[in-house]
Amino acid sequence: QVQLVESGGGLVKPGGSLRLSCAASGFIFTDYYMSWIRQAPGKGLEWVSYISISGGTIYYADSVMGRFTISRDNAKSSLYLQMNSLRAEDTAVYYCARGSWLATPTFDYWGQGTLVTVSS
Amino acid sequence: EIVLTQSPATLSLSPGEGATLSCRASQSVINYLAWYQQKPGQAPRLLIYDASNRATGIPARFSGSGSGTDFTLTISSLEPEDFAVYYCQQRSHWPLTFGGGTKVEIK
Repeated sequence: QVQLVESGGGLVKPGGSLRLSCAASGFIFTDYYMSWIRQAPGKGLEWVSYISISGGTIYYADSVMGRFTISRDNAKSSLYLQMNSLRAEDTAVYYCARGSWLATPTFDYWGQGTLVTVSS
Repeated sequence: EIVLTQSPATLSLSPGEGATLSCRASQSVINYLAWYQQKPGQAPRLLIYDASNRATGIPARFSGSGSGTDFTLTISSLEPEDFAVYYCQQRSHWPLTFGGGTKVEIK
């Protein structure tokens, strides 16, 4: 079955960095585009970043542009999010999500998320 | 950026009742709108894509309609497991955006 397992979250000080990982299994990773989507505590969903299958097409939300970098390693079936210059408003659960080819881009499988807390 | 406004923020209903949730876009998204369900402590689940198409395994009591700027998610008869938060998402323009959510709670 499809599994997406995020890791790398934790407590970090403002201005710090963190790298999130998402290990994918149960499907052919190289057949799917991927995204990171976050949810601040008690709030709604916010799309963060998108990466195509090859990694050649990447998009970011304005709120993270220039600070976050999405990447993927197709040989390892893994997705990453490098987060630099972190701010308090980046505090959220970060979900890794698989793209659906039924309607591009929407997301048919999500991981359980990893919590990132930015606080001094 | 396209802003999606969901209403109402909270819907208080009893099991067996029908639910009608609204999502309004700040500009046309054609029919490129999806709906997700999220239960406490869980990841979102895709329910509907392209306004009216049920995703795999989604029960027939869930239906979607609309086009342009106005969309509706209808749950024909609420089951206990349907009490959750529902989000809409547009894929018409980058950046992708979500609505603020509608919580369907037990009355």
